[in-house]
Amino acid sequence: NAGVTQTPKFQVLKTGQSMTLQCAQDMNHNSMYWYRQDPGMGLRLIYYSASEGTTDKGEVPNGYNVSRLNKREFSLRLESAAPSQTSVYFCASSDDVGPRETQYFGPGTRLLVL
Amino acid sequence: DQQVKQNSPSLSVQEGRISILNCDYTNSMFDYFLWYKKYPAEGPTFLISISSIKDKNEDGRFTVFLNKSAKHLSLHIVPSQPGDSAVYFCAASAGTGNQFYFGTGTSLTVIP
Repeated sequence: NAGVTQTPKFQVLKTGQSMTLQCAQDMNHNSMYWYRQDPGMGLRLIYYSASEGTTDKGEVPNGYNVSRLNKREFSLRLESAAPSQTSVYFCASSDDVGPRETQYFGPGTRLLVL
Repeated sequence: DQQVKQNSPSLSVQEGRISILNCDYTNSMFDYFLWYKKYPAEGPTFLISISSIKDKNEDGRFTVFLNKSAKHLSLHIVPSQPGDSAVYFCAASAGTGNQFYFGTGTSLTVIP
C-alpha cells in the first residue's frame, strides 16, 4: 500500500516548456487535489477533483490544467512554464471532498523553472 | 491575503518539555481546524483536528485548543520528543466549502 505517489520527484524546466506532473493513489479515494507550497506561504490549492470525471478550480488555478484520468490518477499540466511556477507541488487524496475530510499527501515534486 | 497565520516560523524546545505551536485565523466562517506534520522530503501527514463546537481535543501527547472569540488555536505537545522535530501546519475550513486554508508552518526542533 504505497498511499499517494508522485512523479517526478524533481524537475528543472526552461521558461515556456511544458510538463505533466503525475499523481496516483491506491486507497480507493474519490477525491484528489493539487497544491503548491511556496516560501512564506502555506499550501495553496490549485485544482481538485471530487470524483472521477470532475475537476474544479482552487485558489490559484491560472497557468495549470488537470486531468482526472481514472479514479487512481490525477495529473497536473503546465503548458508553458513560467519562473513564478517554481514551487513544490503536492498531490493529495481523501475519501470524499468536503471540509471534514482528512487528506493524505504525496511526497511532493520540486519544480524549478529557469 | 493569508487567512490562516502562523507567526512563529521556528521553535526550539528541550526534550521532555512542552511545545506550544500557535495559529491565528481571520475568517469567522472557519469551523474546522487541523494540524499537519511534515518531515523533510515527505508530504504533510494529518496529526489532529478540532471542530468549532469543541474547545479542546486530545490525542495522546497532542492536544489542540481552540479559542473562537480570539480566532486562535494552539497545538500542545507534551512531553516533546526528538522525533517530533518537523514543520507543523495548521489548516482551516468552512462548513460550506471544499477547500482547506493552510498556515505558513512552524519548524519545531526538539533538542535531546
